[in-house]
Amino acid sequence: DIQMTQSPSTLSASVGDRVTITCRASQSISTWLAWYQQKPGKAPKLLINQASSLESGVPSRFSGSGSGTEFTLTIGSLQPDDFATYYCQHYNSYPCSFGQGTKLEIK
Amino acid sequence: QVRLVESGGGVVQPGTSLRLSCAASEFTFSSYVMHWVRQPPGKGLEWVAGISVDGTGEHYADSEKGRFTISRDNSKNTLYLQVSSLRDEDTAVYYCATEGGSSGHAGYFDYWGQGTLVTVSS
Repeated sequence: DIQMTQSPSTLSASVGDRVTITCRASQSISTWLAWYQQKPGKAPKLLINQASSLESGVPSRFSGSGSGTEFTLTIGSLQPDDFATYYCQHYNSYPCSFGQGTKLEIK
Repeated sequence: QVRLVESGGGVVQPGTSLRLSCAASEFTFSSYVMHWVRQPPGKGLEWVAGISVDGTGEHYADSEKGRFTISRDNSKNTLYLQVSSLRDEDTAVYYCATEGGSSGHAGYFDYWGQGTLVTVSS
């Protein structure tokens, strides 16, 4: 099974900062990777699929990149609404799996 | 607007069984691969199971094989998850989700329900 590892687990940042979250796969997954945002008490929201394809309605300050085993989610200029937990998920094969999450906190 | 509403959660005793339901509306349910994803309290997301559009193909996380059964009734626009021999570690919010796209093998999840909480406790 493919394991997904995110770093950091927690990230403290300020409004206006540019931040990057990393997701690593235990083996190559091409670009079969999605990113989600989750706020407390809410269902996850899909941000990006196929490593870099932004979902409709997602602000352009969000971007994804990478292929193979290393991927990044970048938020260009943090807004108050962006403080949440972010998860990567591979869908290269079954079983698909998520990273453990990165909590983005206000500094 | 895709709508997914889970039900069937609650407090259950260890060793018992439970069936969760996910009622779908405002989209063509029978055209979508569907999944269950769960989240233990304060922890991360765990994919549980997925089912093909016609219900003939099922996939499960390794840890759930044998105790979890995913099924669907396209005539009722409803997805199900049967869980048997419930354990403390099955305590979680269970979400149903539509598959938005795939690699040809597995997929990602574009629409999610609000979740239903299952608490396993004696």
